[in-house]
Parts: sequence; C-alpha cells; structure tokens
Amino acid sequence: QVQLKETGPGLVQPTQTLSITCTVSGFSLTSYYMQWVRQTPGKGLEWMGFIRSGGSTEYNSEFKSRLSISRDTSKNQVFLKMNSLKTEDTGVYYCARDFRGGGVMDAWGQGASVTVSS
Amino acid sequence: DIQMTQSPSLLSASVGDRVTLSCKASQNIYKYLNWYQQKLGEAPKLLIYYTNSLQTGIPSRFSGSGSGTDYTLTISSLQPEDVATYFCQQYNSWYTFGAGTKLELK
Repeated sequence: QVQLKETGPGLVQPTQTLSITCTVSGFSLTSYYMQWVRQTPGKGLEWMGFIRSGGSTEYNSEFKSRLSISRDTSKNQVFLKMNSLKTEDTGVYYCARDFRGGGVMDAWGQGASVTVSS
Repeated sequence: DIQMTQSPSLLSASVGDRVTLSCKASQNIYKYLNWYQQKLGEAPKLLIYYTNSLQTGIPSRFSGSGSGTDYTLTISSLQPEDVATYFCQQYNSWYTFGAGTKLELK
C-alpha cells in the first residue's frame, strides 16, 4: 500500500528555515520522482520542485534561491528545506509521487500545515 | 510561465446532473493536462491524466477531453460524494495549477 506522510514544525518564525520530511512506504524512491507542492491562501497550488529517481533535482524559479530538496533512500525519506521564510509562505506543504516522471502526481501525503509568524 | 484559468470558480448542480468544468491554458499544452479532486481538509487526488486517461480506481462517470489550450472535465451524473474543488494542472512546461472550481450541490 502506497503511503506518504509529511512531518514538519507547524510554526516557523519569519526569516527562519522550514524543514519538512516526507516518509514514504509501499514503493521505492529510486523508482519514482518525488514532487513538492504547496497550497497557500494567496497563490493556491504551487509546484515547488522535485527530486528524480536518480537523485538530481529541479526547482521552480520562484523558489530556486531558497529551496533545497534531498533524500535518504535508506530511510525512505525526502526532505524539503526552504530558508528566508515570509508570512506569505504560510500554507500546507505536500509531497507527492510522480508516477510518470513528468508531472503526473498519483499519490499525495496528507500535507504539513505551516504557519509563518512571530 | 503557462497560466491556467478555470471556469466557473463556483458551480452549483443537482444530483444526477451532467457537469462540465473548463480549464484554459495561456498557450498550447499539447494535452499535457491533469485533473485533481480535493475534498475539504484532504490532499488533492488524481482523477485524469494526459487529458483523458482515467486514473485507476476513479469512477467512469469522470471523463476528460480537450486539445490545444482548452480542456474539459465532465461528470456524467453528479453524485453527493463529488462535492469538492477540482483543479487542472499542466505539465507541458514545468507545472502550473489552475485556481480551481468549487462544486457544490444545489
């Protein structure tokens, strides 16, 4: 059974760094791309970036300067780190499996809710 | 960047109605278009990929069509469990989502 679960801090102060872990089961990270998508009140659903099955990454230019995606295949985990957080980064952050390696997200985690506030 | 425009933003329909949701891209996306359903408090769920391919486990009352810049999601007979927000997403050039159509029961 394919499962994804995000864990994150809940509350982050402005200018600080957000770290979210996506733990997966039921499939291998070396066989699928893993995407990060967020949903904010201001911009709705936004693609953030992905890590390929081989481990290389691509980022949305909107976030490129402050976003990093990595993984630990031995722990079945994918990591999102974004620095210089602003209040408008408040939202729900999702990891999703990309089953065709090109933007078709067939399984999603339940999302990690993040509030950026002092 | 490719912009995705969904219409209407809110749609009220009755159980059993045929419902049509629209999605327009700012340029040709060559059928690289997915539809997702998001129920309140849940993650998006893939319904249709590559314009008209039904994802495994999705009821056949859902269908997709379109080409070029104009795409449609159709629900042939609306059921109460279809109340949700529906998003289109292009993947011809990176990935962008529409703002969604909220579907409610009349």
